[in-house]
Amino acid sequence: GAGVSQSPSNKVTEKGKDVELRCDPISGHTALYWYRQSLGQGLEFLIYFQGNSAPDKSGLPSDRFSAERTGGSVSTLTIQRTQQEDSAVYLCASSPGGGQGSSGANVLTFGAGSRLTVL
Amino acid sequence: SQKIEQNSEALNIQEGKTATLTCNYTNYSPAYLQWYRQDPGRGPVFLLLIRENEKEKRKERLKVTFDTTLKQSLFHITASQPADSATYLCALASWDMRFGAGTRLTVKP
Repeated sequence: GAGVSQSPSNKVTEKGKDVELRCDPISGHTALYWYRQSLGQGLEFLIYFQGNSAPDKSGLPSDRFSAERTGGSVSTLTIQRTQQEDSAVYLCASSPGGGQGSSGANVLTFGAGSRLTVL
Repeated sequence: SQKIEQNSEALNIQEGKTATLTCNYTNYSPAYLQWYRQDPGRGPVFLLLIRENEKEKRKERLKVTFDTTLKQSLFHITASQPADSATYLCALASWDMRFGAGTRLTVKP
């Protein structure tokens, strides 16, 4: 697609429910990133995919969080048994390449985000 | 541990002045550093990239410097305008991309 698409744009859920957030990156972009941004805060790194593989899962806050990417394209971030502290905007970004040796290919294009509110 | 620090949470300046934002990092050896702009309710937008072997990069009213000895980047907006008001984020490229907390710039008419 022309840009990075995220859905849903807004999600309100009850504590304890599971949620799935979807990211559709720019076509051909091999690298995909998930970040979390709480109100008035910076971007907290969650996970990074190069193709379908996630070399770095260290940012996932707990084992309630998981992410997958299939076909080198769409990614889903799943939060199980949501808690109120999970409320935030979840941002997805994609880039043409990945890794330190990629000669500057890591310019990220972000989606508009998915705003999650856990009641 | 690795850290990316942007010197101030908020910066207020008068229209026409030069805004200078700072990004310091520790325990990184980035191949390059990037600056992004974020407006409320939107995702960050890429502005400039500077490589480790470059001292300075310019784009219109924007200038970025990169000092790998000091582990610091400075981001300047000259002849600032109210439309430049936004949050500015620096990002370091390692095997992934990590961001600083951002500096919220307000340019007053």
